[in-house]
Amino acid sequence: EVHLLDSGGGLVQPGGSLRLSCAASGFTFSGYAMNWVRQAPGKGLEWVSAISGSGERTYYADSVKGRFTVSRDNSKNTLFLQMKSLSADDTAVYYCAKDGVGQQRDFDYWGQGTLVTVSS
Amino acid sequence: DIQMTQSPSSVSASVGDRVTITCRASQDISSWLAWYQQKPGKAPRLLISPASNLQSGVPSRFSGSGSGTDFTLTIISLQPEDFATYYCQQASGFPVAFGGGTKVEIK
Repeated sequence: EVHLLDSGGGLVQPGGSLRLSCAASGFTFSGYAMNWVRQAPGKGLEWVSAISGSGERTYYADSVKGRFTVSRDNSKNTLFLQMKSLSADDTAVYYCAKDGVGQQRDFDYWGQGTLVTVSS
Repeated sequence: DIQMTQSPSSVSASVGDRVTITCRASQDISSWLAWYQQKPGKAPRLLISPASNLQSGVPSRFSGSGSGTDFTLTIISLQPEDFATYYCQQASGFPVAFGGGTKVEIK
Protein backbone atom coordinates (compact mmCIF):
# COMPACT_ATOMS: atom_id res chain seq x y z
CA GLU A 1 0.00 0.00 0.00
CA VAL A 2 1.34 3.41 -0.99
CA HIS A 3 1.91 5.76 1.92
CA LEU A 4 3.28 9.31 1.96
CA LEU A 5 4.04 11.03 5.26
CA ASP A 6 4.66 14.78 5.17
CA SER A 7 6.52 16.48 8.01
CA GLY A 8 8.58 19.54 8.90
CA GLY A 9 5.95 22.24 8.91
CA GLY A 10 5.65 24.84 11.64
CA LEU A 11 5.73 28.52 12.50
CA VAL A 12 8.52 30.54 10.91
CA GLN A 13 9.23 34.26 10.82
CA PRO A 14 9.14 36.22 7.57
CA GLY A 15 12.45 35.86 5.80
CA GLY A 16 13.12 32.56 7.50
CA SER A 17 13.74 29.07 6.19
CA LEU A 18 12.16 25.67 6.63
CA ARG A 19 12.75 22.16 5.28
CA LEU A 20 9.87 19.84 4.58
CA SER A 21 10.18 16.08 4.25
CA CYS A 22 7.98 13.39 2.74
CA ALA A 23 8.66 9.76 3.64
CA ALA A 24 7.40 7.34 1.02
CA SER A 25 6.62 3.63 1.19
CA GLY A 26 4.73 0.97 -0.72
CA PHE A 27 6.13 1.64 -4.19
CA THR A 28 9.44 1.87 -6.05
CA PHE A 29 10.26 5.44 -5.01
CA SER A 30 13.01 6.03 -7.57
CA GLY A 31 10.67 5.04 -10.39
CA TYR A 32 8.36 8.02 -10.03
CA ALA A 33 8.55 11.76 -10.18
CA MET A 34 7.36 13.48 -7.03
CA ASN A 35 5.69 16.81 -6.46
CA TRP A 36 4.86 19.42 -3.86
CA VAL A 37 1.44 21.06 -3.95
CA ARG A 38 0.29 23.70 -1.49
CA GLN A 39 -3.02 25.12 -0.35
CA ALA A 40 -3.31 28.44 1.42
CA PRO A 41 -6.01 28.64 4.11
CA GLY A 42 -9.43 28.65 2.45
CA LYS A 43 -7.91 28.72 -1.04
CA GLY A 44 -7.39 26.34 -3.93
CA LEU A 45 -4.55 24.04 -4.88
CA GLU A 46 -1.25 25.41 -6.20
CA TRP A 47 1.45 23.21 -7.67
CA VAL A 48 4.85 24.20 -6.26
CA SER A 49 7.57 21.91 -7.55
CA ALA A 50 8.42 18.56 -9.08
CA ILE A 51 11.47 16.33 -9.32
CA SER A 52 12.15 13.41 -11.64
CA GLY A 53 12.61 9.90 -10.31
CA SER A 54 16.38 10.10 -10.61
CA GLY A 55 16.48 13.60 -9.18
CA GLU A 56 18.23 14.96 -12.27
CA ARG A 57 15.39 17.22 -13.39
CA THR A 58 13.55 19.73 -11.23
CA TYR A 59 10.69 22.10 -11.96
CA TYR A 60 9.26 25.06 -10.05
CA ALA A 61 6.31 27.41 -10.09
CA ASP A 62 7.29 30.99 -10.81
CA SER A 63 6.06 31.97 -7.33
CA VAL A 64 8.81 29.94 -5.63
CA LYS A 65 11.58 29.85 -8.20
CA GLY A 66 14.90 30.90 -6.69
CA ARG A 67 13.62 30.48 -3.12
CA PHE A 68 12.60 26.82 -2.91
CA THR A 69 14.72 23.77 -3.73
CA VAL A 70 13.30 20.29 -4.23
CA SER A 71 15.48 17.23 -3.73
CA ARG A 72 15.17 13.54 -2.98
CA ASP A 73 17.15 10.75 -1.34
CA ASN A 74 16.22 7.57 -3.17
CA SER A 75 18.25 5.47 -0.73
CA LYS A 76 15.92 6.66 2.05
CA ASN A 77 12.72 6.96 -0.01
CA THR A 78 12.39 10.57 1.07
CA LEU A 79 11.45 13.78 -0.72
CA PHE A 80 12.48 17.21 0.53
CA LEU A 81 11.53 20.83 -0.01
CA GLN A 82 13.98 23.44 1.23
CA MET A 83 12.23 26.80 1.55
CA LYS A 84 13.96 30.12 2.17
CA SER A 85 13.06 33.82 2.15
CA LEU A 86 9.59 32.88 3.30
CA SER A 87 6.77 35.41 3.32
CA ALA A 88 3.17 35.41 4.49
CA ASP A 89 2.14 34.38 0.98
CA ASP A 90 3.86 31.04 1.56
CA THR A 91 1.54 30.19 4.46
CA ALA A 92 -0.22 27.00 3.41
CA VAL A 93 -0.64 23.30 3.90
CA TYR A 94 2.05 21.61 1.83
CA TYR A 95 1.33 18.20 0.33
CA CYS A 96 3.74 15.84 -1.32
CA ALA A 97 2.17 13.95 -4.21
CA LYS A 98 3.30 11.02 -6.31
CA ASP A 99 3.15 11.12 -10.11
CA GLY A 100 0.59 8.76 -11.62
CA VAL A 101 1.41 5.74 -13.72
CA GLY A 102 0.44 7.00 -17.16
CA GLN A 103 1.87 9.56 -19.55
CA GLN A 104 -0.25 12.28 -18.07
CA ARG A 105 1.08 14.39 -15.24
CA ASP A 106 -1.47 13.60 -12.56
CA PHE A 107 -1.03 12.83 -8.88
CA ASP A 108 -2.42 9.53 -7.70
CA TYR A 109 -1.28 9.51 -4.06
CA TRP A 110 -0.94 12.39 -1.64
CA GLY A 111 0.52 12.89 1.81
CA GLN A 112 -1.65 14.14 4.63
CA GLY A 113 -0.10 17.60 4.41
CA THR A 114 2.04 19.69 6.75
CA LEU A 115 1.12 23.25 7.73
CA VAL A 116 3.62 26.05 7.22
CA THR A 117 2.75 29.34 8.89
CA VAL A 118 4.86 32.40 8.14
CA SER A 119 4.24 35.06 10.74
CA SER A 120 6.08 37.31 13.16
CA ASP B 1 1.58 28.92 -19.24
CA ILE B 2 -1.77 27.13 -19.37
CA GLN B 3 -4.57 28.59 -17.25
CA MET B 4 -7.51 26.52 -16.04
CA THR B 5 -10.94 28.04 -15.45
CA GLN B 6 -13.63 26.13 -13.58
CA SER B 7 -17.31 26.92 -13.31
CA PRO B 8 -19.37 27.30 -11.31
CA SER B 9 -17.33 28.15 -8.22
CA SER B 10 -20.07 26.64 -6.09
CA VAL B 11 -23.27 24.72 -6.60
CA SER B 12 -26.07 23.80 -4.21
CA ALA B 13 -27.65 20.44 -4.86
CA SER B 14 -29.72 17.75 -3.20
CA VAL B 15 -29.06 14.05 -2.75
CA GLY B 16 -30.05 12.34 -6.00
CA ASP B 17 -29.40 15.38 -8.18
CA ARG B 18 -27.20 15.44 -11.26
CA VAL B 19 -24.29 17.88 -11.02
CA THR B 20 -22.13 19.11 -13.88
CA ILE B 21 -18.86 21.01 -13.46
CA THR B 22 -16.98 22.51 -16.38
CA CYS B 23 -13.31 23.24 -16.83
CA ARG B 24 -11.72 25.23 -19.63
CA ALA B 25 -8.04 25.28 -20.54
CA SER B 26 -6.44 28.37 -22.05
CA GLN B 27 -4.93 26.22 -24.79
CA ASP B 28 -5.34 22.76 -26.26
CA ILE B 29 -4.33 20.08 -23.76
CA SER B 30 -5.71 17.12 -25.73
CA SER B 31 -7.10 14.71 -23.13
CA TRP B 32 -4.52 15.55 -20.46
CA LEU B 33 -6.99 16.60 -17.80
CA ALA B 34 -7.41 15.28 -14.27
CA TRP B 35 -10.23 15.72 -11.75
CA TYR B 36 -9.81 15.61 -7.97
CA GLN B 37 -12.19 15.56 -5.02
CA GLN B 38 -11.20 17.20 -1.74
CA LYS B 39 -13.05 17.06 1.55
CA PRO B 40 -12.36 19.52 4.40
CA GLY B 41 -9.10 18.84 6.19
CA LYS B 42 -8.15 16.04 3.79
CA ALA B 43 -5.77 15.65 0.89
CA PRO B 44 -7.20 15.65 -2.63
CA ARG B 45 -8.22 12.35 -4.19
CA LEU B 46 -7.67 11.60 -7.87
CA LEU B 47 -11.00 10.70 -9.48
CA ILE B 48 -10.52 10.80 -13.22
CA SER B 49 -7.45 10.99 -15.46
CA PRO B 50 -7.01 11.44 -18.31
CA ALA B 51 -10.25 13.25 -19.15
CA SER B 52 -12.65 10.29 -19.01
CA ASN B 53 -10.68 7.49 -17.34
CA LEU B 54 -12.19 6.64 -13.96
CA GLN B 55 -9.58 5.72 -11.37
CA SER B 56 -9.81 2.41 -9.54
CA GLY B 57 -12.30 2.47 -6.70
CA VAL B 58 -14.15 5.58 -7.88
CA PRO B 59 -17.93 5.06 -8.10
CA SER B 60 -19.41 4.86 -11.58
CA ARG B 61 -21.75 7.79 -10.86
CA PHE B 62 -18.71 9.98 -11.63
CA SER B 63 -17.82 10.54 -15.27
CA GLY B 64 -15.59 12.87 -17.23
CA SER B 65 -15.68 14.03 -20.81
CA GLY B 66 -14.07 16.48 -23.17
CA SER B 67 -10.89 17.12 -25.06
CA GLY B 68 -8.93 20.06 -26.36
CA THR B 69 -9.93 22.99 -24.16
CA ASP B 70 -13.36 22.08 -22.75
CA PHE B 71 -14.00 19.39 -20.16
CA THR B 72 -16.84 18.27 -17.93
CA LEU B 73 -17.17 16.34 -14.69
CA THR B 74 -20.61 14.89 -14.11
CA ILE B 75 -21.97 13.29 -10.97
CA ILE B 76 -25.25 11.49 -11.51
CA SER B 77 -27.44 10.82 -8.47
CA LEU B 78 -25.40 12.82 -5.93
CA GLN B 79 -24.70 10.94 -2.70
CA PRO B 80 -24.09 12.42 0.77
CA GLU B 81 -20.38 11.55 0.57
CA ASP B 82 -20.03 13.53 -2.67
CA PHE B 83 -20.41 16.91 -0.99
CA ALA B 84 -16.88 18.26 -1.39
CA THR B 85 -14.75 20.57 -3.50
CA TYR B 86 -13.71 19.44 -6.96
CA TYR B 87 -10.65 20.61 -8.88
CA CYS B 88 -9.56 20.13 -12.45
CA GLN B 89 -5.87 20.06 -13.33
CA GLN B 90 -4.07 20.26 -16.64
CA ALA B 91 -1.91 17.17 -16.85
CA SER B 92 -0.03 17.90 -20.08
CA GLY B 93 3.17 19.16 -18.52
CA PHE B 94 4.88 21.86 -16.49
CA PRO B 95 3.93 24.16 -14.99
CA VAL B 96 1.02 22.16 -13.65
CA ALA B 97 -2.14 24.25 -13.18
CA PHE B 98 -5.28 23.64 -11.19
CA GLY B 99 -8.68 25.18 -11.68
CA GLY B 100 -10.06 27.36 -8.92
CA GLY B 101 -12.32 24.65 -7.56
CA THR B 102 -16.06 23.99 -7.39
CA LYS B 103 -17.68 23.51 -4.01
CA VAL B 104 -20.67 21.17 -4.10
CA GLU B 105 -22.89 22.09 -1.17
CA ILE B 106 -26.04 20.63 0.27
CA LYS B 107 -29.18 22.50 -0.75
